Amino acid sequence: QVQLVQSGAEVKKPGASVKVSCKASGYTFTNYYMHWVRQAPGQGLEWMGWINPNSGDTNYAQKFQGRVTMTRDTSISTAYMELSGLRSDDTAVYYCAREMAVAGHLRAFDIWGQGTMVTVSS
Amino acid sequence: DIQMTQSPSTLSASVGDRVTITCRASQSISSWLAWYQQKPGKAPKLLIYKASSLESGVPSRFSGSGSGTEFTLTISSLQPDDFASYYCQQYNSYSRMFTFGQGTRLEIK
Repeated sequence: QVQLVQSGAEVKKPGASVKVSCKASGYTFTNYYMHWVRQAPGQGLEWMGWINPNSGDTNYAQKFQGRVTMTRDTSISTAYMELSGLRSDDTAVYYCAREMAVAGHLRAFDIWGQGTMVTVSS
Repeated sequence: DIQMTQSPSTLSASVGDRVTITCRASQSISSWLAWYQQKPGKAPKLLIYKASSLESGVPSRFSGSGSGTEFTLTISSLQPDDFASYYCQQYNSYSRMFTFGQGTRLEIK
């Protein structure tokens, strides 16, 4: 079945970097944009950016530009999100999410990973 | 950036009620609006895409409407499983960026 499986929880110190992986299965990885969304404890959803797995093109939310890098490895159908310069307010669950594509991109996220908790603490 | 204003932030209702949640965009987004349901500790689930298209497998009591700057999600007859948080999400075709609304927590009255 179609699924996204993310890497496990991380604990990082302020100033460090974290890299979260998202392995896709059950569909052609390069045919669908992949997005990253985060959710701080008790807060709402925050969109971080997307990567086109076919071309490697990316587009990041202004808030994260300069700190986030999204990459992919098509040989293993895996997307990555790296966030640098971590602060305590980066503590959140990070999700990867596939963008729907039926006769064109539909700008909604139909498949989500299970989430990866990233805790930033000294 | 396009701002999304979602209301209400909290909604108390009873099983069988009809409820409506609203999202307003700061400028026109055509029909690029989606709605999600999220339960505690779980990933969001897509309900509606392109403002009014029902995602496969989602019960027909959920419906979406609107275009331009004002959108609504309606649940025609609340079921016990519907008590959750709901988020709208927009796409800006000019900047190719996305934004979520602040969310609505739907609780049992």
